[in-house]
Amino acid sequence: AQSVAQPEDQVNVAEGNPLTVKCTYSVSGNPYLFWYVQYPNRGLQFLLKYITGDNLVKGSYGFEAEFNKSQTSFHLKKPSALVSDSALYFCAVRDGSGGSYIPTFGRGTSLIVHP
Amino acid sequence: KAGVTQTPRYLIKTRGQQVTLSCSPISGHRSVSWYQQTPGQGLQFLFEYFSETQRNKGNFPGRFSGRQFSNSRSEMNVSTLELGDSALYLCARDPTENTQYFGPGTRLTVL
Repeated sequence: AQSVAQPEDQVNVAEGNPLTVKCTYSVSGNPYLFWYVQYPNRGLQFLLKYITGDNLVKGSYGFEAEFNKSQTSFHLKKPSALVSDSALYFCAVRDGSGGSYIPTFGRGTSLIVHP
Repeated sequence: KAGVTQTPRYLIKTRGQQVTLSCSPISGHRSVSWYQQTPGQGLQFLFEYFSETQRNKGNFPGRFSGRQFSNSRSEMNVSTLELGDSALYLCARDPTENTQYFGPGTRLTVL
């Protein structure tokens, strides 16, 4: 079985400061990892993914995530937060070894960026 | 921009009824996946279709079914609706290792 944990329900950060949204995962095979963002009253948007290769993945809107195999983590980061980054962020994992697409999502972390 | 249209956007049904939701990716995109989002269970994968064939199915009862047509449009059907089926249902195109694009979702309320 695979699982994702987003240990923080909410993250508060001041505009201009760096932000981190945490994600840890558990999967039996090769982890395929994803981050999504959901703005209020809007659908989901894909941010970035890790499949293989460089542990630092760059995505949309200046976000990046670092894959750490030993800590089974895939934290989302941004060097300088914007108020417009305030949204709900989801991490997801799927097993890249078995051919099954089925992803498992975390519960989500609400990011609030204060002016 | 997302290239995914979902209809209807909002729907109200009563328990025991059935509902059909529609998802239309832009032309040429053969892969469609469906997700359910609820406050209690969060985001869950429902199923994925590729070229009219169901490739993967999440852990949902048989009341949840879907299909895909030759023009890539997909429908999702839920029979014998329960209160717990109230959710935002999201559809995405290209749900592979490539970038995914989601539709705005259909908000289903079951009374």
